[in-house]
Amino acid sequence: QSALTQPASVSGSPGQSITISCTGTSSDVGSYNLVSWYQQHPGKAPKLMIYEVSKRPSGVSNRFSGSKSGNTASLTISGLQAEDEADYYCCSYAGSSTYVVFGGGTKLTVL
Amino acid sequence: QVQLVESGGGLVKPGGSLRLSCAASGFTFSDYYMSWIRQAPGKGLEWVSYISSSGSTIYYADSVKGRFTISRDNAKNSLYLQMNSLRAEDTAVYYCARVAFFCFDPWGQGTLVTVSS
Repeated sequence: QSALTQPASVSGSPGQSITISCTGTSSDVGSYNLVSWYQQHPGKAPKLMIYEVSKRPSGVSNRFSGSKSGNTASLTISGLQAEDEADYYCCSYAGSSTYVVFGGGTKLTVL
Repeated sequence: QVQLVESGGGLVKPGGSLRLSCAASGFTFSDYYMSWIRQAPGKGLEWVSYISSSGSTIYYADSVKGRFTISRDNAKNSLYLQMNSLRAEDTAVYYCARVAFFCFDPWGQGTLVTVSS
């Protein structure tokens, strides 16, 4: 069982928006603005999409955005495109003893 | 460009040992914390270990503590993971990743470790 809870799957049609939730606790997501999101296509390495809750690395489309409320972080993808179909993982800093925890991953299907 | 290339994976029997390497290029390796993260077949991501830029601070996940040892050689721009007393549940693709802002970017392509008799 993963430390952070994500829905197993979400889906949307091209052009639509979807949101993936990531629920933790007051020991991780709720305590630190250090949530990151990763995109992983089949057989590929994960790619950083969002860091520090809502910041986008250079080169990542502005269709990707992140937010946080309490113990739950969210990744929103607007204007869905076929190439967005992938697995998405959230990650949160959880203090110096645990360091980081990952979510179980969410499979995004673009219909 | 920033690049991380893992090597050293393979098939090993339960109780055996393996040493993974990660060669870094395209950035000042000695300035960054580094980490190992693994992914069991068909499963999610699991953080394994990280090491500070100087090597003075090291952390491990409870699942590998006492069996795995992370190290680095800044002169060789290389990160290592010595894995001892391997178990079937250690079977996974092992990724090395650069640490920045308490996240991982970029990741290497990964190396597969299979623990089986």
